[in-house]
Parts: sequence; structure tokens; C-alpha cells
Amino acid sequence: GNSVTQMEGPVTLSEEAFLTINCTYTATGYPSLFWYVQYPGEGLQLLLKATKADDKGSNKGFEATYRKETTSFHLEKGSVQVSDSAVYFCALSAASYNTDKLIFGTGTRLQVFP
Amino acid sequence: DTEVTQTPKHLVMGMTNKKSLKCEQHMGHRAMYWYKQKAKKPPELMFVYSYEKLSINESVPSRFSPECPNSSLLNLHLHALQPEDSALYLCASSQEGNRGAGNTIYFGEGSWLTVV
Repeated sequence: GNSVTQMEGPVTLSEEAFLTINCTYTATGYPSLFWYVQYPGEGLQLLLKATKADDKGSNKGFEATYRKETTSFHLEKGSVQVSDSAVYFCALSAASYNTDKLIFGTGTRLQVFP
Repeated sequence: DTEVTQTPKHLVMGMTNKKSLKCEQHMGHRAMYWYKQKAKKPPELMFVYSYEKLSINESVPSRFSPECPNSSLLNLHLHALQPEDSALYLCASSQEGNRGAGNTIYFGEGSWLTVV
């Protein structure tokens, strides 16, 4: 079946450090891949997406590349800020579904300290 | 800013109460969703409406009753809930719900529900 695996958190970093949050997936067909961010007390916001192999999604300094050969979609940012503290969810939407059904990873909490 | 609007933001209800959560979007999306999120967990899909018809019910107990009055509105009627139903309820929408093309799903801010 389809699934998403994320690294366990929390990830604790100092401001301006480099961030990587690992995400790998298992899917039939050719899924679209997403990163969503959830700030404390809020709903989910789309951070970035990629719909085919080798696509790079980017937004607000975050990047992730769709790697079909390693079935990965790791999230990176070169210099994190305190305001990036949130929970990050990797998700896929598999083309085999009849509707846009998201499969989420467990989420990774990021804590950035000044 | 999210373009999916949910009301109320917070709701406290007793186990014998009947209440409703409401959701509205004006992006012209034809698919709308209800998700439930418990603390420190990812969202779990409950229902999907595609072109105002219920297309997915993820074996949700009947004490949760969805309704889609038109393509912009989605309600979740609540009756005889249990304390374990306390959670964040997220509404979402996407452009087309029945093609599985990886359309982006946009979420609202959620309604925090506490059952006492």
C-alpha cells in the first residue's frame, strides 16, 4: 500500500543552522508529493509540492526534490529562523486514487532557538 | 492566508448536545474534505465530497454526519459525541476531487472541539 515515513522529531536547531527533514515514500504509480507546515494552534498550510520525478518544489527558502530512484522527498532550508518552529508533514497523493486523497507521514516537530 | 474558512474556531459540547461545524470556500473548488487531527498526530481523513456528492466515508461513526448544501459549503453535524472525539477538525478543498491528479488540497484553520 501507499505510505510515507518521516524522521522522528523533535529536531532542535539554533537560528541560521541548516535544516534537513527526511521523508521517504512507498507508492504504486506516480504520486505527487507535498510538504505541509502546521504552526502552533493553526491548520495546515501547503509549503511546497512536486508532481513528477526530478521536480524541485520551493517556497520561503525551503526546498525539496522528488527523487524517484530513492523514493525520497527530503525538506531542506539553508538558514532556519525562530519563526520556522512548527510541525512539518510530508504527504503523498497517489494517482491511482479516484480522488485527491492525501497520505501523511507522522510529522516532524522543528524547534529553532535564538 | 487560508481561503477555507471554518466556524466556530472553538466549540465545547456535552455528550447529549447537537452542534455543527461549518466550512466555506470561494475558490471554485469542487472537492471538499473533513479531517480529524488528534494532538501530535497527522490529520486523518473522514469524508470527501466531490461535486457535492459524498465520495469517501472512511468508516466514520454515524454520530458524525456530513452535509454539502452547495459547492462552496460543507457542514459536519455532531450528535452524541464521546470525550475521545475531542480533536481539531480540519476542513479542506481542492480543485477537482475525482481525477486523482495530485491537486493541492487547501486546509482551513480548523475547529477545536472539546466534548465534556
